[in-house]
Amino acid sequence: EPEVTQTPSHQVTQMGQEVILRCVPISNHLYFYWYRQILGQKVEFLVSFYNNEISEKSEIFDDQFSVERPDGSNFTLKIRSTKLEDSAMYFCASSGPAANEQFFGPGTRLTVL
Amino acid sequence: GESVGLHLPTLSVQEGDNSIINCAYSNSASDYFIWYKQESGKGPQFIIDIRSNMDKRQGQRVTVLLNKTVKHLSLQIAATQPGDSAVYFCAENSIQGAQKLVFGQGTRLTINP
Repeated sequence: EPEVTQTPSHQVTQMGQEVILRCVPISNHLYFYWYRQILGQKVEFLVSFYNNEISEKSEIFDDQFSVERPDGSNFTLKIRSTKLEDSAMYFCASSGPAANEQFFGPGTRLTVL
Repeated sequence: GESVGLHLPTLSVQEGDNSIINCAYSNSASDYFIWYKQESGKGPQFIIDIRSNMDKRQGQRVTVLLNKTVKHLSLQIAATQPGDSAVYFCAENSIQGAQKLVFGQGTRLTINP
Protein backbone atom coordinates (compact mmCIF):
# COMPACT_ATOMS: atom_id res chain seq x y z
CA GLU A 1 0.00 0.00 0.00
CA PRO A 2 1.49 3.38 -0.96
CA GLU A 3 2.41 5.66 1.91
CA VAL A 4 3.88 9.04 2.68
CA THR A 5 7.42 8.87 4.00
CA GLN A 6 9.37 11.49 5.94
CA THR A 7 13.01 11.97 6.86
CA PRO A 8 14.59 12.32 9.29
CA SER A 9 12.42 10.85 12.01
CA HIS A 10 14.08 13.09 14.58
CA GLN A 11 16.05 16.30 14.03
CA VAL A 12 17.87 18.14 16.78
CA THR A 13 19.15 21.62 16.03
CA GLN A 14 20.43 24.73 17.72
CA MET A 15 18.30 27.85 17.87
CA GLY A 16 18.97 30.05 14.84
CA GLN A 17 20.01 27.19 12.59
CA GLU A 18 18.29 26.26 9.37
CA VAL A 19 16.56 22.91 9.02
CA ILE A 20 15.04 21.12 6.05
CA LEU A 21 12.43 18.47 6.62
CA ARG A 22 11.86 16.07 3.78
CA CYS A 23 8.81 14.22 2.56
CA VAL A 24 8.03 11.85 -0.26
CA PRO A 25 4.28 12.06 -0.95
CA ILE A 26 2.28 9.26 -2.54
CA SER A 27 3.35 9.16 -6.16
CA ASN A 28 0.13 10.03 -8.01
CA HIS A 29 -1.02 12.66 -5.55
CA LEU A 30 -1.25 16.30 -6.54
CA TYR A 31 -1.86 18.15 -3.27
CA PHE A 32 0.77 18.37 -0.58
CA TYR A 33 0.60 19.71 2.95
CA TRP A 34 2.61 20.39 6.05
CA TYR A 35 1.11 20.30 9.52
CA ARG A 36 2.69 20.53 12.91
CA GLN A 37 1.76 19.22 16.33
CA ILE A 38 3.27 20.69 19.46
CA LEU A 39 3.61 18.03 22.13
CA GLY A 40 0.24 17.19 23.65
CA GLN A 41 -1.70 19.58 21.43
CA LYS A 42 -3.82 19.26 18.33
CA VAL A 43 -2.54 19.08 14.79
CA GLU A 44 -2.26 22.50 13.13
CA PHE A 45 -2.26 23.31 9.43
CA LEU A 46 0.81 25.10 8.09
CA VAL A 47 0.63 25.15 4.31
CA SER A 48 -0.87 23.50 1.26
CA PHE A 49 0.87 23.21 -2.10
CA TYR A 50 -0.57 22.49 -5.52
CA ASN A 51 0.71 22.90 -9.06
CA ASN A 52 4.09 24.06 -7.81
CA GLU A 53 2.82 26.88 -5.71
CA ILE A 54 1.42 27.55 -2.27
CA SER A 55 -2.38 27.43 -2.34
CA GLU A 56 -2.96 28.35 1.28
CA LYS A 57 -0.92 29.05 4.38
CA SER A 58 -1.70 29.69 8.01
CA GLU A 59 -0.56 32.48 10.30
CA ILE A 60 2.09 30.13 11.67
CA PHE A 61 3.71 29.91 8.24
CA ASP A 62 5.63 33.17 8.36
CA ASP A 63 8.67 34.32 6.40
CA GLN A 64 10.89 31.88 8.26
CA PHE A 65 9.13 28.99 6.54
CA SER A 66 9.29 27.90 2.92
CA VAL A 67 8.28 24.86 0.93
CA GLU A 68 9.64 23.41 -2.25
CA ARG A 69 9.11 20.51 -4.58
CA PRO A 70 12.63 20.26 -5.93
CA ASP A 71 11.95 17.24 -8.14
CA GLY A 72 9.13 14.91 -9.05
CA SER A 73 9.09 13.05 -5.78
CA ASN A 74 10.24 15.18 -2.83
CA PHE A 75 8.43 17.90 -0.92
CA THR A 76 10.44 19.88 1.61
CA LEU A 77 9.77 22.27 4.47
CA LYS A 78 12.57 24.68 5.34
CA ILE A 79 12.77 26.71 8.52
CA ARG A 80 15.43 29.38 8.02
CA SER A 81 16.24 30.36 11.58
CA THR A 82 14.73 28.01 14.10
CA LYS A 83 13.25 29.20 17.38
CA LEU A 84 12.63 27.23 20.54
CA GLU A 85 8.88 27.34 19.88
CA ASP A 86 9.39 25.57 16.54
CA SER A 87 9.95 22.35 18.48
CA ALA A 88 7.13 20.04 17.41
CA MET A 89 6.21 17.06 15.29
CA TYR A 90 5.96 18.04 11.65
CA PHE A 91 3.68 15.97 9.48
CA CYS A 92 3.61 15.89 5.71
CA ALA A 93 0.41 14.82 3.98
CA SER A 94 -0.76 14.36 0.43
CA SER A 95 -4.05 13.86 -1.35
CA GLY A 96 -5.11 12.82 -4.80
CA PRO A 97 -6.96 14.85 -7.42
CA ALA A 98 -10.46 13.63 -6.70
CA ALA A 99 -10.46 13.06 -2.96
CA ASN A 100 -10.21 15.18 0.12
CA GLU A 101 -8.72 12.31 2.07
CA GLN A 102 -5.27 13.33 3.20
CA PHE A 103 -2.70 10.67 3.92
CA PHE A 104 -0.20 11.55 6.61
CA GLY A 105 3.40 10.55 6.98
CA PRO A 106 4.90 9.33 10.26
CA GLY A 107 6.25 12.77 11.11
CA THR A 108 9.59 14.36 11.94
CA ARG A 109 10.19 15.33 15.52
CA LEU A 110 12.05 18.64 15.54
CA THR A 111 13.81 19.63 18.74
CA VAL A 112 15.28 23.12 18.92
CA LEU A 113 17.79 23.65 21.72
CA GLY B 1 6.60 12.26 30.22
CA GLU B 2 4.04 13.81 27.93
CA SER B 3 2.48 16.27 30.35
CA VAL B 4 2.97 19.53 28.43
CA GLY B 5 0.13 21.18 26.59
CA LEU B 6 -3.61 20.90 26.64
CA HIS B 7 -5.19 18.18 28.73
CA LEU B 8 -6.96 15.80 26.37
CA PRO B 9 -10.44 14.55 27.14
CA THR B 10 -10.21 10.87 27.94
CA LEU B 11 -12.49 7.92 27.54
CA SER B 12 -11.90 4.49 29.02
CA VAL B 13 -13.96 1.51 27.97
CA GLN B 14 -13.80 -2.21 28.54
CA GLU B 15 -12.61 -4.39 25.71
CA GLY B 16 -15.60 -5.55 23.72
CA ASP B 17 -17.78 -2.61 24.67
CA ASN B 18 -18.85 0.11 22.27
CA SER B 19 -17.38 3.60 22.51
CA ILE B 20 -18.63 6.97 21.35
CA ILE B 21 -16.29 9.89 20.82
CA ASN B 22 -17.75 13.33 20.30
CA CYS B 23 -16.55 16.43 18.54
CA ALA B 24 -17.92 19.93 18.02
CA TYR B 25 -16.79 21.63 14.85
CA SER B 26 -16.51 25.33 14.37
CA ASN B 27 -17.20 26.34 10.79
CA SER B 28 -20.76 26.07 9.50
CA ALA B 29 -19.34 26.33 5.96
CA SER B 30 -17.41 23.08 6.36
CA ASP B 31 -18.87 20.32 4.24
CA TYR B 32 -16.46 17.46 4.71
CA PHE B 33 -15.50 15.81 7.98
CA ILE B 34 -12.96 13.17 8.83
CA TRP B 35 -12.01 11.12 11.84
CA TYR B 36 -8.35 10.34 12.32
CA LYS B 37 -6.69 7.95 14.73
CA GLN B 38 -3.26 8.77 16.09
CA GLU B 39 -1.20 6.19 17.91
CA SER B 40 1.74 7.23 20.02
CA GLY B 41 4.65 8.45 17.91
CA LYS B 42 2.80 8.10 14.61
CA GLY B 43 1.00 10.33 12.16
CA PRO B 44 -2.78 10.64 11.95
CA GLN B 45 -4.40 7.68 10.25
CA PHE B 46 -7.63 8.08 8.30
CA ILE B 47 -10.58 6.17 9.76
CA ILE B 48 -13.75 7.38 8.11
CA ASP B 49 -15.15 10.49 6.46
CA ILE B 50 -18.57 11.98 5.82
CA ARG B 51 -19.90 14.73 3.60
CA SER B 52 -22.41 17.27 4.76
CA ASN B 53 -25.18 15.85 2.55
CA MET B 54 -25.21 12.77 4.79
CA ASP B 55 -25.94 12.35 8.48
CA LYS B 56 -24.57 8.85 8.95
CA ARG B 57 -21.91 6.70 7.40
CA GLN B 58 -20.77 3.24 8.40
CA GLY B 59 -17.47 1.49 7.98
CA GLN B 60 -16.00 -1.62 9.44
CA ARG B 61 -16.81 -1.43 13.18
CA VAL B 62 -17.04 2.37 12.94
CA THR B 63 -19.94 4.73 12.36
CA VAL B 64 -19.79 8.49 11.99
CA LEU B 65 -22.81 10.64 12.76
CA LEU B 66 -23.14 14.24 11.68
CA ASN B 67 -25.57 16.75 13.15
CA LYS B 68 -25.24 19.95 11.17
CA THR B 69 -27.87 21.76 13.23
CA VAL B 70 -25.66 21.77 16.31
CA LYS B 71 -22.36 21.31 14.46
CA HIS B 72 -21.64 18.01 16.15
CA LEU B 73 -19.81 14.95 14.94
CA SER B 74 -19.45 11.60 16.64
CA LEU B 75 -17.48 8.43 16.07
CA GLN B 76 -18.87 5.15 17.28
CA ILE B 77 -16.52 2.19 17.56
CA ALA B 78 -18.19 -1.17 18.03
CA ALA B 79 -16.71 -4.10 19.96
CA THR B 80 -13.57 -2.22 20.92
CA GLN B 81 -10.22 -3.98 20.81
CA PRO B 82 -6.89 -3.16 22.52
CA GLY B 83 -5.60 -1.85 19.19
CA ASP B 84 -8.25 0.86 19.26
CA SER B 85 -6.39 2.61 22.08
CA ALA B 86 -5.21 5.92 20.59
CA VAL B 87 -6.01 9.61 20.35
CA TYR B 88 -8.91 10.33 18.01
CA PHE B 89 -9.23 13.63 16.20
CA CYS B 90 -12.07 14.99 14.17
CA ALA B 91 -11.16 17.31 11.32
CA GLU B 92 -13.21 19.58 9.10
CA ASN B 93 -12.62 20.79 5.59
CA SER B 94 -14.41 22.24 2.63
CA ILE B 95 -14.77 20.19 -0.55
CA GLN B 96 -14.54 23.38 -2.57
CA GLY B 97 -11.54 25.65 -2.44
CA ALA B 98 -9.14 25.41 0.47
CA GLN B 99 -7.77 22.00 1.23
CA LYS B 100 -6.61 22.59 4.77
CA LEU B 101 -7.87 20.37 7.53
CA VAL B 102 -8.85 22.00 10.80
CA PHE B 103 -8.37 19.51 13.60
CA GLY B 104 -10.27 19.31 16.84
CA GLN B 105 -8.63 18.90 20.22
CA GLY B 106 -8.65 15.11 20.28
CA THR B 107 -9.88 12.45 22.68
CA ARG B 108 -7.67 9.80 24.21
CA LEU B 109 -9.41 6.41 24.10
CA THR B 110 -8.10 3.69 26.39
CA ILE B 111 -9.35 0.13 26.06
CA ASN B 112 -9.14 -1.80 29.30
CA PRO B 113 -8.65 -5.57 29.10
